[in-house]
Amino acid sequence: AQTVTQSQPEMSVQEAETVTLSCTYDTSESDYYLFWYKQPPSRQMILVIRQEAYKQQNATENRFSVNFQKAAKSFSLKISDSQLGDAAMYFCAYRRDPQGAQKLVFGQGTRLTINP
Amino acid sequence: EAGVAQSPRYKIIEKRQSVAFWCNPISGHATLYWYQQILGQGPKLLIQFQNNGVVDDSQLPKDRFSAERLKGVDSTLKIQPAKLEDSAVYLCASSWRQGARYTQYFGPGTRLTVL
Repeated sequence: AQTVTQSQPEMSVQEAETVTLSCTYDTSESDYYLFWYKQPPSRQMILVIRQEAYKQQNATENRFSVNFQKAAKSFSLKISDSQLGDAAMYFCAYRRDPQGAQKLVFGQGTRLTINP
Repeated sequence: EAGVAQSPRYKIIEKRQSVAFWCNPISGHATLYWYQQILGQGPKLLIQFQNNGVVDDSQLPKDRFSAERLKGVDSTLKIQPAKLEDSAVYLCASSWRQGARYTQYFGPGTRLTVL
């Protein structure tokens, strides 16, 4: 079974600085998707960024970028120029079978605090 | 575009009582998901619908949980009877189709407390 591990239960960063959240996963598949979701106190999960495993280029979305190391099964999220609104729980997630019905598997989450 | 709607936002019940949650997905989304998120953990998929058919309910405790999606739009998730360990946030999500490349949009969730 696929598993997703986030080894950092909590992280903190000064406003305007850069922080990296770690994620590792276990799979025997070669074709899959990886995701980072943000969950603020409102509880609504919001997609931050997505990476297709067949793409070697790391995904970027404005201040958010990933470091995808397929051989190492590592998928970290870098947040540049941290803002107070970035404070939230961040979940790494994995889903195989891009065309099918396989479930999204989440990690345990990392709570990110932004210090003003 | 309206997002995924869920109600109620909060529910407190005694153990052995029954409870139901409602979800209205984004218009036109064929795939609907129910997740259970226990405090301090990531969400876990309970059931996935494609239109009004069940695609995956392998992690749904079928002795007490049931879900339906009549007419392929709204969905209800029911727990009967509730146990203390059912205390969690229940998240509903929808996507246009079921493949991984289609973004899942989440609702605000229902926080259930079982006393």
